[in-house]
Amino acid sequence: AQTVTQSQPEMSVQEAETVTLSCTYDTSENNYYLFWYKQPPSRQMILVIRQEAYKQQNATENRFSVNFQKAAKSFSLKISDSQLGDTAMYFCASKTSYDKVIFGPGTSLSVIP
Amino acid sequence: DTGVSQDPRHKITKRGQNVTFRCDPISEHNRLYWYRQTLGQGPEFLTYFQNEAQLEKSRLLSDRFSAERPKGSFSTLEIQRTEQGDSAMYLCASSSGDREEEAFFGQGTRLTVV
Repeated sequence: AQTVTQSQPEMSVQEAETVTLSCTYDTSENNYYLFWYKQPPSRQMILVIRQEAYKQQNATENRFSVNFQKAAKSFSLKISDSQLGDTAMYFCASKTSYDKVIFGPGTSLSVIP
Repeated sequence: DTGVSQDPRHKITKRGQNVTFRCDPISEHNRLYWYRQTLGQGPEFLTYFQNEAQLEKSRLLSDRFSAERPKGSFSTLEIQRTEQGDSAMYLCASSSGDREEEAFFGQGTRLTVV
């Protein structure tokens, strides 16, 4: 069974600074995907970034990048140049092929002006 | 196509009543998922469909819950004899066959049982 853990219930960052959100996961599969989803207040869940487990190179999407440590089963999200619009719940998630997405408990990120 | 659509957005019901939610996935997506999310928590998996076939049901889905996806298009989630503990956001997501790993979410239906 897949499990996802996020040990930081809440975090805050000053606008324009960098913040890193932590995530660890567990799976017995070799082929899987990892995701970070963003859920702004009262708005729908959107995908921020994804990583295929077979790829060694860390994924990057503009200001968002991940640090994927496969052996340690760690998948952290770095947000550079934080903006007020980054304020949201962030969920780490994992998925194996032809299975459902499993979510962590989330980290509430507040960007402070 | 504007994405995954859920109806209604909000539902307030009295304890013991039945409620039904609808989800319209992105048109070419053959996978459809239902999740439940309580305040401050991550979404919990309830069930998912591949076309019209219901492939998996979580143990969270008691006998009072039933989901259908006739003709592999829209899906409905019904809760019978609602309880206060059913109060939550019910999220629907869909994904396509060739990029089945990427799920797109609707805005959810917020259920309040009073």
